[in-house]
This record gives sequence, structure tokens and C-alpha cells, in this order.
Amino acid sequence: QQQVKQSPQSLIVQKGGIPIINCAYENTAFDYFPWYQQFPGKGPALLIAIRPDVSEKKEGRFTISFNKSAKQFSLHIMDSQPGDSATYFCAAMRAGGTSYGKLTFGQGTILTVHP
Amino acid sequence: EAEVAQSPRYKITEKSQAVAFWCDPISGHATLYWYRQILGQGPELLVQFQDESVVDDSQLPKDRFSAERLKGVDSTLKIQPAELGDSAMYLCASGTGGVYNEQFFGPGTRLTVL
Repeated sequence: QQQVKQSPQSLIVQKGGIPIINCAYENTAFDYFPWYQQFPGKGPALLIAIRPDVSEKKEGRFTISFNKSAKQFSLHIMDSQPGDSATYFCAAMRAGGTSYGKLTFGQGTILTVHP
Repeated sequence: EAEVAQSPRYKITEKSQAVAFWCDPISGHATLYWYRQILGQGPELLVQFQDESVVDDSQLPKDRFSAERLKGVDSTLKIQPAELGDSAMYLCASGTGGVYNEQFFGPGTRLTVL
């Protein structure tokens, strides 16, 4: 029940395309859903996050869509650029509680944006 | 901009040897996390600290792994003895606190066990 399932495993788009990465969770106690971006040899960096009281959040070219009833959320990257080529991880967390701040990560999506 | 520092960045060791990793969190962050990331997978939490206290070490293989954060600031993760299956990236993160506790990751230590 702690799993977060992420798809696809890899994704290739052309510059300007809109890659979409999907995640699904089972634990209804999760109430914070961040996305991380990781470049080779680096640690993950927080990209954008959403709470379940909203259905969409935009920050620059990055948008999270959230469907609480389906227990799914997705990341959309508008006008993708070659510099967006990285591995993207979704994650879920239960705010507060005994496992305060414990992130459960998806398996990751390797995004390649061709020029 | 404040960052989480980790050292060493790379470590190669032989099976059965002892290894240690160090993490210096962002100043003022009370929560500190050690994650293990196997190549091609997402990070998995090993241990979580709140100040100097362990909050969650349920996924830490305690027969060979230990972690400490004696003064509630920097932290050390030790493996003794190292096994082939321990080869992975070891990531440290520190959190801002508050309800949603945003976590910032360091660059990681890449461990290779031969």
C-alpha cells in the first residue's frame, strides 16, 4: 500500500513537444505529491509539488494534474527543451504522522528531448 | 544558495571492508534523511532523523548499517562489512520542517563494492 507506480519507464519527444508522465498511488493517507528532476551524477531536485485540495498546479512550463478519486497524478512539460532531458521521479508523502516527511518514490522516467 | 554537502562523491571498496559517508545538511534544517538509490530505480529511505533522534530506521539493514547524527547537525552513515549488493548511490537530504517538509538532496555518494 506504500507503492507509487510510475509510467512510462522512458520517453522520447522532439523539442517543443509535451511529454506526460503518470503516477498512481494506493495509500489514501498520502497528501503531498512532489516531482523531482535528476540529472546524471546529481541528487534529485524538487521541481513542483501539489496537495490534494487542488486539481492542477502550474509553475513555468511544468504542470501537475491531480485526480484524487482515481488516485493518480501526472506531470506535463510544455514546450520541452533538450535541457529538460533528465530522469523524473514522482513521489508521495503523508504530511505529519509518525513517518513525518517520508517520501515514497516512483520508479522514474527517463526523458529525452531531441533538438 | 544553501546546499546539502556530501562526501566522498565516489567510493570504491572491496567486499567485507568498512565504508563511511558524511552529510552536512542545510543550516537550520532539523530533519535529515539517508536514501539509497539503486541504478534505474527511485530513492528508498534508509533512515530519518529529527535533530539527533532517529525517527524511522525500519528499512535500515541494522546488522551492517549504522547512522548517527550526534549533535543534530551533520550525519554519518556507515556500512560494515560492505557486500556486493550495497553498490548504489547514497543520497542525503534535509528538510525545511513544517507540515510539508520540503526536502533538498545532496549530490550523493556513488559506492561500488568489488
